[in-house]
Amino acid sequence: RKEVEQDPGPFNVPEGATVAFNCTYSNSASQSFFWYRQDCRKEPKLLMSVYSSGNEDGRFTAQLNRASQYISLLIRDSKLSDSATYLCVVRDGTASKLTFGTGTRLQVTL
Amino acid sequence: DARVTQTPRDKVTEMGQEVTMRCQPILGHNTVFWYRQTMMQGLELLAYFRNRAPLDDSGMPKDRFSAEMPDATLATLKIQPSEPRDSAVYFCASGLSGASAFFGQGTRLTVV
Repeated sequence: RKEVEQDPGPFNVPEGATVAFNCTYSNSASQSFFWYRQDCRKEPKLLMSVYSSGNEDGRFTAQLNRASQYISLLIRDSKLSDSATYLCVVRDGTASKLTFGTGTRLQVTL
Repeated sequence: DARVTQTPRDKVTEMGQEVTMRCQPILGHNTVFWYRQTMMQGLELLAYFRNRAPLDDSGMPKDRFSAEMPDATLATLKIQPSEPRDSAVYFCASGLSGASAFFGQGTRLTVV
């Protein structure tokens, strides 16, 4: 079983739609959680951190459920420019190792 | 504008040759990661350093790969000898302990 698992997609949604991605992690000692975004042939870039109480950044909302070891990302009012691969990232509590999921591909269409 | 710098951006080499990839982390960052990305495997952690000391290189094939940080401004990843299955994009990332990481633009390696 992979340490961080994501549905690879692709998720094809029309502009304006709401879309949600999920991620599960296996290490219960994980301490920090992030969502990264990667555009085609580019490097991954930090989208947002994920806090225990949940957090929002504009159209993006991240949630964490430690009991279920589950992280989610909600994108409201999707834009064409949101088309990318979204990577779930988990940092362990001892050595600061960052482990990436394989990513979920999102394609927003007209 | 602080950024992680990787060189070369692209490298084509013949099987059996040595490949060296270089990374300049963001000044002040104490953690440096090397990742490899392929379509099949996604982003795999090869090795990482904190304060220049190697913390974990269990993701790296030891017989042919080596990673070092000769000083705080330079991290290197070497493959010797290279094989076609090493073809991938290699990313370096840097950050502070306990925080997220910033990625370089990657080195696209093709071994023929």
